[in-house]
Amino acid sequence: GNSVTQMEGPVTLSEEAFLTINCTYTATGYPSLFWYVQYPGEGLQLLLKATKADDKGSNKGFEATYRKETTSFHLEKGSVQVSDSAVYFCALSDRFPNTGNQFYFGTGTSLTVIP
Amino acid sequence: NAGVTQTPKFQVLKTGQSMTLQCAQDMNHNSMYWYRQDPGMGLRLIYYSASEGTTDKGEVPNGYNVSRLNKREFSLRLESAAPSQTSVYFCASSDFGDTQYFGPGTRLTVL
Repeated sequence: GNSVTQMEGPVTLSEEAFLTINCTYTATGYPSLFWYVQYPGEGLQLLLKATKADDKGSNKGFEATYRKETTSFHLEKGSVQVSDSAVYFCALSDRFPNTGNQFYFGTGTSLTVIP
Repeated sequence: NAGVTQTPKFQVLKTGQSMTLQCAQDMNHNSMYWYRQDPGMGLRLIYYSASEGTTDKGEVPNGYNVSRLNKREFSLRLESAAPSQTSVYFCASSDFGDTQYFGPGTRLTVL
């Protein structure tokens, strides 16, 4: 079946530090992969996505590369800011017909950036 | 263009009471979803509707019912609320094979 595993948090970094949040997946088909971000008291927002192997998704300085050989989609940012403090979710979406485009989410990684 | 809207934003119920959470989307998406979010559990799918007129159970459907009223609206009903249903509920919508867009959530407490 499909599943997503992401690194446990919480993660605390100093401003301008390098960020990596690991995500690995198990899938039976050819999924799309996503990173969502959730700020306190809000819903999830799409951060970036990749739809096929070797694709790189990027947005707001964050990036992640779809690695089929290692079944991974790690999130990285070169220099984090206080405003990046949030919970980050890795997710995959299968593409088989009649499943309604089901998403599978990781448990989330809480990031706190301190000045 | 409001995206996905949910009502109410907050609700407190007593055990055994019933209520309906409302969700609407204005993006002409075919698929809609209800999730619950609990600490340390991530998001768990309650029910989904792949297209207008169809609904299917997700990972945690017990104690819930849904109605896909039309293409825009997808409601979630708790017939007899229990403390275990205290959670944050999110509605989402998508087109097949593409991004899911989430509403702001409903924070439900069952006493």
